Amino acid sequence: DTGVSQNPRHKITKRGQNVTFRCDPISEHNRLYWYRQTLGQGPEFLTYFQNEAQLEKSRLLSDRFSAERPKGSFSTLEIQRTEQGDSAMYLCASSAPLDNKETQYFGPGTRLLVL
Amino acid sequence: KNEVEQSPQNLTAQEGEFITINCSYSVGISALHWLQQHPGGGIVSLFMLSSGKKKHGRLIATINIQEKHSSLHITASHPRDSAVYICAVNTGTASKLTFGTGTRLQVTL
Repeated sequence: DTGVSQNPRHKITKRGQNVTFRCDPISEHNRLYWYRQTLGQGPEFLTYFQNEAQLEKSRLLSDRFSAERPKGSFSTLEIQRTEQGDSAMYLCASSAPLDNKETQYFGPGTRLLVL
Repeated sequence: KNEVEQSPQNLTAQEGEFITINCSYSVGISALHWLQQHPGGGIVSLFMLSSGKKKHGRLIATINIQEKHSSLHITASHPRDSAVYICAVNTGTASKLTFGTGTRLQVTL
């Protein structure tokens, strides 16, 4: 297994367009997280899944954002009607908690630029 | 005020120096993580701590639960240690991470 992968790695779009990002977690990991990181800041939590169930969503996740993990494996994050403020690095992480201890493994991120 | 604060924000050191990065948090936690982020974005988990001290190679992480404080030490620093080091916590029983803003470390020859 090569770890968490994300596609695309870079995306440039015009304001108002829709974009979709994909995350493929480590295969045996049942938890999957999405985070957003803007320049010079630490990542911020967006949402997470346990298997196919979306268990928590941040208030940062406006109605324009939707995430799915239909078969409990890969996940997609869609942003509709993008705004310039959506420009950021979108990070995916996965984990397999053991004895209530959990190390998250991060993908390389998708860098979004909205013009 | 952020729940997780790091200091310093930026740090420049010469090769071989001993480095300390500090993290303070204001909430109850179940675990604290130290992460390393290289240019380009990739994040690697270095340590997960809930008490005491952990060591891996030249890296040492400590945590004081009573004082709500953790430190990351790098001994015999090397230019390849140059990266952003991020402190993150699991608050309460939450599995999501809450992150500090990171410490940018530059180690020069």
